[in-house]
Amino acid sequence: DTGVSQDPRHKITKRGQNVTFRCDPISEHNRLYWYRQTLGQGPEFLTYFQNEAQLEKSRLLSDRFSAERPKGSFSTLEIQRTEQGDSAMYLCASSLVASSGNTIYFGEGSWLTVV
Amino acid sequence: DAKTTQPNSMESNEEEPVHLPCNHSTISGTDYIHWYRQLPSQGPEYVIHGLTSNVNNRMASLAIAEDRKSSTLILHRATLRDAAVYYCILRDLGAQKLVFGQGTRLTINP
Repeated sequence: DTGVSQDPRHKITKRGQNVTFRCDPISEHNRLYWYRQTLGQGPEFLTYFQNEAQLEKSRLLSDRFSAERPKGSFSTLEIQRTEQGDSAMYLCASSLVASSGNTIYFGEGSWLTVV
Repeated sequence: DAKTTQPNSMESNEEEPVHLPCNHSTISGTDYIHWYRQLPSQGPEYVIHGLTSNVNNRMASLAIAEDRKSSTLILHRATLRDAAVYYCILRDLGAQKLVFGQGTRLTINP
């Protein structure tokens, strides 16, 4: 059973560096989401894709953040010029949009620490 | 998205049933009630969802009040592995995303 896969699971970077996270959704899932979660808080929505189209972006997604899903399969989330406030867990999720419903399945997250 | 209210924390004992409440007085007719849980250092995990009728699956049961303004997630026999943050989320059928609140942190005592 292949779930949502995220890589790397942990990343420590220096302030000002760029980082990229990769997400491989469940096979054939056409919708892919990115969330961010800080300690003690619930996950916060960042953006989502339907196939390769990015259909919604949260105000949390500043200009330093960019997400892509070039072929409608895997996705990348890049953070440029990282700041200490970017330290968080970045969650990817996927779902299959169907008439019967649209359960969203999450990966285990990628932890980012900016020092 | 309609708002839900959950207790910040609850505590129960191993092998006993657990009832996790959720209030959603502003629920609309097309809002589904979803429950997710998040174990420490993991991503959220789908538990169950329902619209009007009570629902059962291998993980839990969902009891929905007749007026749909509240619901209860029932873990029939808690184990230590059920210690997690449980999120009650309202999601319209056409909604694109889940909007998480603070959830209830469930502690299970041995």
